[in-house]
Amino acid sequence: KAGVTQTPRYLIKTRGQQVTLSCSPISGHRSVSWYQQTPGQGLQFLFEYFSETQRNKGNFPGRFSGRQFSNSRSEMNVSTLELGDSALYLCASSSSRDRGKNIQYFGAGTRLSVL
Amino acid sequence: AQSVTQLGSHVSVSEGALVLLRCNYSSSVPPYLFWYVQYPNQGLQLLLKYTSAATLVKGINGFEAEFKKSETSFHLTKPSAHMSDAAEYFCAVSDGVGGATNKLIFGTGTLLAVQP
Repeated sequence: KAGVTQTPRYLIKTRGQQVTLSCSPISGHRSVSWYQQTPGQGLQFLFEYFSETQRNKGNFPGRFSGRQFSNSRSEMNVSTLELGDSALYLCASSSSRDRGKNIQYFGAGTRLSVL
Repeated sequence: AQSVTQLGSHVSVSEGALVLLRCNYSSSVPPYLFWYVQYPNQGLQLLLKYTSAATLVKGINGFEAEFKKSETSFHLTKPSAHMSDAAEYFCAVSDGVGGATNKLIFGTGTLLAVQP
């Protein structure tokens, strides 16, 4: 069974631009969560989508948004990029059963660099 | 609020020596606890999980962890370190009751170095 797939793996943008990151969960998984990883702040929860609905949101500004499609694939969007948005963005998926115990499987991440 | 504290941002052991990575948690509800490993330029790989079954949990690659409620600890151990164990390790706790949220709270990580 294929794992969580994130595209692209690397991205370079300039301040003020916007970016969209994609995540395909493990087949059959309906929950997708996003995390931001930076050296200074560590791993921080962005949001979770389950069956196309946002179920939980972390403490990030409104520039960070996401959505989930009917096939469970998810995208996150960051508008008006700032230098501080440079990070590794990780996507994780859970099956309905595993979601009850917070068991999540992570992708390799998208490394975003903002210049 | 739930939180985890990882003692020691850097741990160095010799190949073949015991690995002990420390994690203490704070949780207002019975916690679900996890250890993840991250190799350079990669995502997080689930090593093991405690979801209120046996308190001694065995994971992949020879790692295990013991849930000790009295000490609010969930330390990760491996009897004999291998060079391939060099990576960063993260302890995580579920934020609230499972099912209501799928949010994980992560520790700051421990970078494990294995010396030949």
